[in-house]
Parts: sequence; C-alpha cells; structure tokens
Amino acid sequence: NAGVMQNPRHLVRRRGQEARLRCSPMKGHSHVYWYRQLPEEGLKFMVYLQKENIIDESGMPKERFSAEFPKEGPSILRIQQVVRGDSAAYFCASSLYKGNNEKLFFGSGTQLSVL
Amino acid sequence: AQSVTQLGSHVSVSEGALVLLRCNYSSSVPPYLFWYVQYPNQGLQLLLKYTSAATLVKGINGFEAEFKKSETSFHLTKPSAHMSDAAEYFCAVSSGNTPLVFGKGTRLSVIA
Repeated sequence: NAGVMQNPRHLVRRRGQEARLRCSPMKGHSHVYWYRQLPEEGLKFMVYLQKENIIDESGMPKERFSAEFPKEGPSILRIQQVVRGDSAAYFCASSLYKGNNEKLFFGSGTQLSVL
Repeated sequence: AQSVTQLGSHVSVSEGALVLLRCNYSSSVPPYLFWYVQYPNQGLQLLLKYTSAATLVKGINGFEAEFKKSETSFHLTKPSAHMSDAAEYFCAVSSGNTPLVFGKGTRLSVIA
C-alpha cells in the first residue's frame, strides 16, 4: 500500500533547462497539493489540483511554473527555464476529501538543485 | 490573511524531559490548526489537528496540543521526550477555504 510517491528524489538541472516533478497520490485520493520548502523556511503553498482541474494556484509564480493532474497518470509540476532561486525541496501531498481542513499525506519530496 | 509564528527555530531537551514547542497563529476566522512532523529525508506526517471540537487535542506518539483562543496559541507538548522524537515540527493553520499555511518549523533535538 504505497503512500504518496514522488520522483525523482533528486533532480539536478542547469540554468535555463526544464524541470519536471512527478507525484502519484495515495490510492483513491483525487486531491493533490504542491508545496515548496526553502532552507530555513516553512512550506509554501503553490497549487491545489483535482483530476483535470486546477482549483487554487494562488501560490504559483506567474511565469515559468505550471502544474497539471490529468485523468490518468501522476500530477506534474513543471518549471521552465529554471534559475538558481528555484533550488528547493518540492513536496506533493494528497487528500481523500475536498477541503483544506483535511488530513494531508505527504510524499518524501523532490530536491531540485539548479547549477 | 492567516499566519503562523513558531517561537524558536531550534529546541533542545534532555531525554525524559518535557517537550514544549510554541505556535501562535493569526486568523480572521475560526481556524483549523495542525502540527506536522518531518523526519530527515521524509515528507511531513500529521501529528494532530484541531477542528473546533475539544480544545485539548491528543495526537500520535504521546504528543498533545491545547488550543487557547485568548492567547491565539496552539503549543505542542509531550511529557517525556524520547530520542526518536528528534525531528522538525511544523505548525499550520487553515480557515477551511484556504490552503494550509505553515510556520517555519522548529527543530527538536533530544540529548541522551
């Protein structure tokens, strides 16, 4: 019974390249959240998705960042033309029910390093 | 807007001593409050949550937290620290319609 699966665990990119981070929610969960964690900082909300829909993207940078959660397959967080400031740990979480008071199950994160 | 302040980025206690991790929140509506724990190289795990039922909330691993509206606090406690409690602890707040807002975290060290 796998939990929230994120891959890769570590991703190294050079400035200007694209980064794709994948998240498979827990079985039966249709709500996915992406958070970013910078050193010495808490987790910052980025985006909340349901299957095929973006529900809340208030935490997403306006440029270069996008997210999707297709009907089939994992959720993808895509960062185009990465810069050094994008280096961070990116965590995905899923929940069974709608609502921000629900228990979130987190993946182990993807550590993105931009050279 | 909601926010969370965790006092002390690093707390160190002796094994068997009381653990007290402080969290103060700001919310314009009745909040939902959470404590999560993060072990090295892992994602966050829910310790406990407050959702307007009992003000004293019991969580896993012997942790509990008390919601005090007058003090806008939700401090996390454990009577007796264990070595396995060493981790990073995050307090978080939500109004129910807004995404979880996390504090910056408190790293707990337990000394043998």
